[in-house]
Amino acid sequence: DTEVTQTPKHLVMGMTNKKSLKCEQHMGHRAMYWYKQKAKKPPELMFVYSYEKLSINESVPSRFSPECPNSSLLNLHLHALQPEDSALYLCASSQGTEFYGYTFGSGTRLTVV
Amino acid sequence: RKEVEQDPGPFNVPEGATVAFNCTYSNSASQSFFWYRQDCRKEPKLLMSVYSSGNEDGRFTAQLNRASQYISLLIRDSKLSDSATYLCAVNGNYGGSQGNLIFGKGTKLSVKP
Repeated sequence: DTEVTQTPKHLVMGMTNKKSLKCEQHMGHRAMYWYKQKAKKPPELMFVYSYEKLSINESVPSRFSPECPNSSLLNLHLHALQPEDSALYLCASSQGTEFYGYTFGSGTRLTVV
Repeated sequence: RKEVEQDPGPFNVPEGATVAFNCTYSNSASQSFFWYRQDCRKEPKLLMSVYSSGNEDGRFTAQLNRASQYISLLIRDSKLSDSATYLCAVNGNYGGSQGNLIFGKGTKLSVKP
């Protein structure tokens, strides 16, 4: 299994809603990541988990809350989002954090209304 | 100076042409380098890692120039299916954080019949 699976693929949520994005990989990768990508922009790093511990938080607002229940799963909990948070949210994984390319999931396209 | 810079293009080339992209990076401590391909509304897919000695995969050749802090991607005999956005990515000790893969804005390639 060489895939990173993300659910849902599309999500529309109101500004008062609480929702979660899910990401799963079974490649034995020990690092997992959340990226945010707006149209015609590069992916921007949000969070890095290494060995199930949060190692990088790129000054992301607290309305985004990551969680790593185990080495295969990564969640992103969303609460009180703003319309400008609408974007493609990409999960990725890699064998380690320094010298390895990342494998990305197909993303969740989020629209906040 | 931005951390990772690319010419956004677009590069419009005929089938069979050779096209080259460059990408510059600002952190001389960066250790690993990658080229990704991203199709419209899809996730980035790892195309090649870039090594100091250079590497080749079929029609694709990647080079690293540490002294000048740039990486390049050469595509020979371009195909219609090569049309995509090509993102360079650099992993280094940005902001004191290792395991921080930074992407360039991408170069859009359009191969015409």
